[in-house]
Amino acid sequence: EPEVTQTPSHQVTQMGQEVILRCVPISNHLYFYWYRQILGQKVEFLVSFYNNEISEKSEIFDDQFSVERPDGSNFTLKIRSTKLEDSAMYFCASSYRLRGRPVAFQETQYFGPGTRLLVL
Amino acid sequence: GQQVMQIPQYQHVQEGEDFTTYCNSSTTLSNIQWYKQRPGGHPVFLIQLVKSGEVKKQKRLTFQFGEAKKNSSLHITATQTTDVGTYFCAGPLGAGGTSYGKLTFGQGTILTVHP
Repeated sequence: EPEVTQTPSHQVTQMGQEVILRCVPISNHLYFYWYRQILGQKVEFLVSFYNNEISEKSEIFDDQFSVERPDGSNFTLKIRSTKLEDSAMYFCASSYRLRGRPVAFQETQYFGPGTRLLVL
Repeated sequence: GQQVMQIPQYQHVQEGEDFTTYCNSSTTLSNIQWYKQRPGGHPVFLIQLVKSGEVKKQKRLTFQFGEAKKNSSLHITATQTTDVGTYFCAGPLGAGGTSYGKLTFGQGTILTVHP
């Protein structure tokens, strides 16, 4: 069964450093997402991406964050200058679109295994 | 702001007992989704409910969507140790609840099952 993959699984960085988290969404999916989960807390939406542009972002996704689809398979999240509070598990997710679905139906988002980011 | 509330935060049960978690939204939802996250794992999609009053079953799991489409529940009959994990509800809040937009997750219910 196809799955979303993420690299690295763990990343340790110093405060102020830039990090790039990488994701390979499921190949026929068109919608891509980043979520984060601070240890012991709920999953929080960061950003959604479609057709090579951001379609929605949360208040968390400030100017320090950016996303990119550099080629046909990868989807990246960059944090320009990490802060201690950026320490979290970052999940990438992807979904596809089927024609003829009812408007109320939302395509399933498939989550990757996550990257655990620790900022020291 | 718009949010999804989930109770209880924790539930400890003996194997064989039933378990229920409840989800409430501050606004009407076009759909509600349930995810399971095993310890150390990632959220795994369980089900989506769309219709008012909808009830769906997956083996020992029963999912309900309220008539007003603002609340939902997940009930597990006769829990097993494999049911251990955090159960999250999630819905497309905000921005009109687009079909391909963000999911807003509840805080989750952590289920532990004692053998």
